[in-house]
Amino acid sequence: DGGITQSPKYLFRKEGQNVTLSCEQNLNHDAMYWYRQDPGQGLRLIYYSQIVNDFQKGDIAEGYSVSREKKESFPLTVTSAQKNPTAFYLCASSVSRQPQHFGDGTRLSIL
Amino acid sequence: GQQLNQSPQSMFIQEGEDVSMNCTSSSIFNTWLWYKQDPGEGPVLLIALYKAGELTSNGRLTAQFGITRKDSFLNISASIPSDVGIYFCAGQPEAGNMLTFGGGTRLMVKP
Repeated sequence: DGGITQSPKYLFRKEGQNVTLSCEQNLNHDAMYWYRQDPGQGLRLIYYSQIVNDFQKGDIAEGYSVSREKKESFPLTVTSAQKNPTAFYLCASSVSRQPQHFGDGTRLSIL
Repeated sequence: GQQLNQSPQSMFIQEGEDVSMNCTSSSIFNTWLWYKQDPGEGPVLLIALYKAGELTSNGRLTAQFGITRKDSFLNISASIPSDVGIYFCAGQPEAGNMLTFGGGTRLMVKP
């Protein structure tokens, strides 16, 4: 089945550590997105990519980095510069102006 | 970044009751989307609206694209326990793929 796969489902980060969240899609979508969701809040855009080897900052990009080396993959790194990383992270993809489809998320916590 | 004003923030209703929620914006959107998020999962698209004044149904769900293009409404008829979750609206402008999300409406249904 086509879809968006995020891994791992749960992730723990130690102080000063960088962690990488995986997002893979087999929908052949050009655009991919990363959102952060805090308890009781809506979705805030971290980074997005419209095509391979190109990406743009969203509203809350500080402390995060991304790469887009392949069409189907858009990993997100939460760096040690992100002082409040505990959140639910959602990856999405879309084609043209069609609605975005979401993965099942990764929950990141601090040890 | 801008967020849409979504209300109510939460609702606790009896099974069988009808539910209404809405989103308003100071900006015009060309597309309105409604998503549902179950606990620990990613949002799933319920209804997409593409034309001002459009009324679209999906089973017990009905959504409308406001005539001013600055608001949208979602109604759920005869609620059941599996309707529990968070409902998000999202608006897409005329140009680009970016979505602006509402803060969500948390729906709780009492059997």
